[in-house]
Amino acid sequence: DQQVKQNSPSLSVQEGRISILNCDYTNSMFDYFLWYKKYPAEGPTFLISISSIKDKNEDGRFTVFLNKSAKHLSLHIVPSQPGDSAVYFCAARDNYGQNFVFGPGTRLSVLP
Amino acid sequence: DVKVTQSSRYLVKRTGEKVFLECVQDMDHENMFWYRQDPGLGLRLIYFSYDVKMKEKGDIPEGYSVSREKKERFSLILESASTNQTSMYLCASSPYPVTVLSEAFFGQGTRLTVV
Repeated sequence: DQQVKQNSPSLSVQEGRISILNCDYTNSMFDYFLWYKKYPAEGPTFLISISSIKDKNEDGRFTVFLNKSAKHLSLHIVPSQPGDSAVYFCAARDNYGQNFVFGPGTRLSVLP
Repeated sequence: DVKVTQSSRYLVKRTGEKVFLECVQDMDHENMFWYRQDPGLGLRLIYFSYDVKMKEKGDIPEGYSVSREKKERFSLILESASTNQTSMYLCASSPYPVTVLSEAFFGQGTRLTVV
């Protein structure tokens, strides 16, 4: 059973608008979360992280929100750009410092 | 510019073959990792190494082994390839353990098809 879920396999957004990518998890022991971006034929690159002691972390156009009670996090990209078109993975780690568990990814397409 | 290089972009192998996937990093990192990426499953950790000749099992080590004879090179070995090992394989290296994944650099991936 998947502990980290990204229920939208794909998402299309118009350039300049907001992209919201969602991630849900089932393990209440997860305390640290990452978002990765992956272009075709390239390895994943780290985007942004959030610890469970926070509910928001912002880095430029990227903001991650964490709702611990709902076991939900979301990545907001504002404004979206065509270069943001990629697959986005969320990943979670528990407070025993075990390996990260990845979600299945969401393919974002930003249309010009 | 940091570099993690995987020796092959695409590989096609036959069932039962022994397969070697090679990964080289030029950053003098202690830690290296092998993941596989499958549709609907995300990335899953196969093996990792925190030093030369040291290795640890990840979440899905069955059917795989690894070799780290030199610091810069980490090899993933499929002892007897099977069709369920058809996947994208990603190597990464980091100055920190796998639990600090945000500092890792990934290679471009090897798409392996076992027929």
